[in-house]
Amino acid sequence: DSGVTQTPKHLITATGQRVTLRCSPRSGDLSVYWYQQSLDQGLQFLIQYYNGEERAKGNILERFSAQQFPDLHSELNLSSLELGDSALYFCASSAAQGGYTFGSGTRLTVV
Amino acid sequence: SQKIEQNSEALNIQEGKTATLTCNYTNYSPAYLQWYRQDPGRGPVFLLLIRENEKEKRKERLKVTFDTTLKQSLFHITASQPADSATYLCALPLSGGYNKLIFGAGTRLAVHP
Repeated sequence: DSGVTQTPKHLITATGQRVTLRCSPRSGDLSVYWYQQSLDQGLQFLIQYYNGEERAKGNILERFSAQQFPDLHSELNLSSLELGDSALYFCASSAAQGGYTFGSGTRLTVV
Repeated sequence: SQKIEQNSEALNIQEGKTATLTCNYTNYSPAYLQWYRQDPGRGPVFLLLIRENEKEKRKERLKVTFDTTLKQSLFHITASQPADSATYLCALPLSGGYNKLIFGAGTRLAVHP
């Protein structure tokens, strides 16, 4: 157990639907990051939150949104899903400039 | 734009040998660099962080070097074991601060008995 909890582990949904992925960071970490990893691509940075505020955005689609709540857990919302959104979605947390602690990921399959 | 390059070809070595993986970057002067290990279907695991003013860092059988002139980091695993087989990713902080990392595509290492 890395200390970062992601739910659900697996998600199968149809095109056009909306899903919510949840992440609880490691205790004490204020930063949460979301990454997407497709089969043919490496880890792609989506978005970062720090203590409830959005800090940085990567190549996140307009159909995707995220937020971090006062208890520091974060949710990534994916809407109008397309086949190409099928991927592993990872959440990570960190303190300051340290290494990231990743969760075990959510495997999203869009059919 | 900032770019990280890692050897896309898998590295196959014999157990007991030293594995050396390369990470090159361009258009960039990072304050630090990180290495991660990723097993199939699992989240990456942080291994080492090396800062720009450190030439070398060691942790057990792992050694990382950081050459800011060559814009290159080398990652060594000595006395490699089959359990070291995994994909190894290098990561650099994107400009703009806040510890936002960009990851290389990774190099797959296979250690054969």
